[in-house]
Amino acid sequence: KAGVTQTPRYLIKTRGQQVTLSCSPISGHRSVSWYQQTPGQGLQFLFEYFSETQRNKGNFPGRFSGRQFSNSRSEMNVSTLELGDSALYLCASAAGTGLSTDTQYFGPGTRLTVL
Amino acid sequence: AQSVSQHNHHVILSEAASLELGCNYSYGGTVNLFWYVQYPGQHLQLLLKYFSGDPLVKGIKGFEAEFIKSKFSFNLRKPSVQWSDTAEYFCAVNARDDKIIFGKGTRLHILP
Repeated sequence: KAGVTQTPRYLIKTRGQQVTLSCSPISGHRSVSWYQQTPGQGLQFLFEYFSETQRNKGNFPGRFSGRQFSNSRSEMNVSTLELGDSALYLCASAAGTGLSTDTQYFGPGTRLTVL
Repeated sequence: AQSVSQHNHHVILSEAASLELGCNYSYGGTVNLFWYVQYPGQHLQLLLKYFSGDPLVKGIKGFEAEFIKSKFSFNLRKPSVQWSDTAEYFCAVNARDDKIIFGKGTRLHILP
C-alpha cells in the first residue's frame, strides 16, 4: 500500500504570498491531520479532517485553513505568509474516526521557506 | 490546557547502554499516550501507544514504555541500545476525541 504523499516537497515563498499544500492519505484512510514542525516549537497540531469536515483545530491564526475532498485528499492553505511560517508541514492519515484511537501514518512533509 | 514535557533534549549513549527517555504530561482526565520516532531521513512513525489496560506497553524494535498515572508519566525504555536507534523521539498525548499534543522531542545519538 502506498504511504502518505505530500506535494510539493519543497517550497520557497516571499512574505505576503499565499501557499497551498497537498496531502494524499493512504488508500482507505478517512482522517487527515496537519502539523507544523519547527525547531523551536516542535510539532504543533494544525487541524484534523474526517469525511470532509474539520473535527479538531489547533491554536493557529485564521490565515491557516484547510479542507478535505470526497476522496479524502486534503489541502492546507496559508495566506499572507510571514517569516515565522517557515517550517516543515506534516500530514498524517488514519483509518478510523478520530485522533484518539487510530495510529497516524505520517508523510514526508513539505518544507516551506518564507523569505 | 494539556502539555507534554520531554526532559532531555539531547541524549548521547554508547551502544549496549540502557535508555530511558522521560515524558510527563499535564491533564487530569483519561488520556491516550504515544511515542513516535523519526529516523534520519525518514518519516515520523509510531513506536508504541497506550490506550488502556496493562500500563507496560511493548513497541517495535525492543522499546517499551510504562504509564504511571500517579506521576503523569510515560517514559520510554530500551535495555540495550544500538547504533540504529539514533533518531529523534517524540512523546505525544491526547485526551479522548481531542487534538494530539506532542513534546518537543529528544534527539538520541548512539555512539558505535
